[in-house]
Amino acid sequence: GAGVSQSPSNKVTEKGKDVELRCDPISGHTALYWYRQSLGQGLEFLIYFQGNSAPDKSGLPSDRFSAERTGGSVSTLTIQRTQQEDSAVYLCASSYSSYNSPLHFGNGTRLTVT
Amino acid sequence: GQQVMQIPQYQHVQEGEDFTTYCNSSTTLSNIQWYKQRPGGHPVFLIQLVKSGEVKKQKRLTFQFGEAKKNSSLHITATQTTDVGTYFCAAIKAAGNKLTFGGGTRVLVKP
Repeated sequence: GAGVSQSPSNKVTEKGKDVELRCDPISGHTALYWYRQSLGQGLEFLIYFQGNSAPDKSGLPSDRFSAERTGGSVSTLTIQRTQQEDSAVYLCASSYSSYNSPLHFGNGTRLTVT
Repeated sequence: GQQVMQIPQYQHVQEGEDFTTYCNSSTTLSNIQWYKQRPGGHPVFLIQLVKSGEVKKQKRLTFQFGEAKKNSSLHITATQTTDVGTYFCAAIKAAGNKLTFGGGTRVLVKP
């Protein structure tokens, strides 16, 4: 079956431009997470969606970052006025529920801001 | 907020030797999960522990959940080059609903 799909796989953008990263979770998964991972580093939590509940945005590093999840399925992470320090791999993961369910990760979007 | 600490941050292991990585929390956990991320890849789920004192094995990997449900360990025996990668623990605190990842243990295997 289809796994978590992220697009684009690679994105190179100029400093100051806006970018949109897309995540298609596994069908039926109610929980969706976005993480950021810099080279050789751990997983930095960004935002968490669970069903129809208000998202947990506590990990978003600045107001340049926003995310939405339409119809409880596809999610888009938007970064406005990109900075060089935004360069990283952005990983999306989904799970069947918020409790006791393993996360399934996509292959990530590698963002490079020049 | 909840912090999940993993030690060591790096582990250099001679092929064939055993090692253990630890995951610690200051708060009681509902469950704990372990993931492995190969170089250049994404994290892949390995196992979940839910019960106090639970021990689970996957071939050469042994996972344990502490009696107080505040810590966990992953022990790998007879390390192989295929064990190279970063091992993350992730936990949900009791009465919580968000999975929090530890910083990971980066494992390098010397042949």
